[in-house]
Amino acid sequence: KAGVTQTPRYLIKTRGQQVTLSCSPISGHRSVSWYQQTPGQGLQFLFEYFSETQRNKGNFPGRFSGRQFSNSRSEMNVSTLELGDSALYLCASSLEGGQTRPGNTIYFGEGSWLTVV
Amino acid sequence: AQSVTQPDIHITVSEGASLELRCNYSYGATPYLFWYVQSPGQGLQLLLKYFSGDTLVQGIKGFEAEFKRSQSSFNLRKPSVHWSDAAEYFCAVAGAGGADGLTFGKGTHLIIQP
Repeated sequence: KAGVTQTPRYLIKTRGQQVTLSCSPISGHRSVSWYQQTPGQGLQFLFEYFSETQRNKGNFPGRFSGRQFSNSRSEMNVSTLELGDSALYLCASSLEGGQTRPGNTIYFGEGSWLTVV
Repeated sequence: AQSVTQPDIHITVSEGASLELRCNYSYGATPYLFWYVQSPGQGLQLLLKYFSGDTLVQGIKGFEAEFKRSQSSFNLRKPSVHWSDAAEYFCAVAGAGGADGLTFGKGTHLIIQP
């Protein structure tokens, strides 16, 4: 079956603009998480959605937001882009929410590369 | 707050040699531990995970990891590496309830020498 699909794969934006990234989870998965990966800070948890509700949120400013639709697809939005937002944004999906259930394997997409100029 | 330290930024190993990647975690309760691999331009792939029980965990691609509570470590091992193992390896920890998602280490870049 198809894996986690993220679009677009690459994009360039200008400071001050906003961006929306999309994630389609594996069919049947109801949980979607987002992570930011940068050379300096590494991989950092942004937020998790389960059944259209945000369950958990990392330590990011309010410019970073997300949502999940009834078909489990998710979008994340970054407003008023800053140079430091340049990163690889990874989406992950799993059957259930939470990282601590032994049978709940988390699958990552290939990511969306965002460059802010 | 939980944290993960991967002391080695880069490791170079000859093809066919054994491998051990180090991971130390900080967490107040029983941790849930993971190892992921990331090839260039790719997402993360789960190698193995530890939740409870046997402290030696077997994963995919011939990898294993051993949980040592006394040393707060979860080192990844492979008896004989292949050139295709060259990648970035990340250790991660999740706390109870997963409230903070996965906390990752900064990664170890594995280079395989022919």
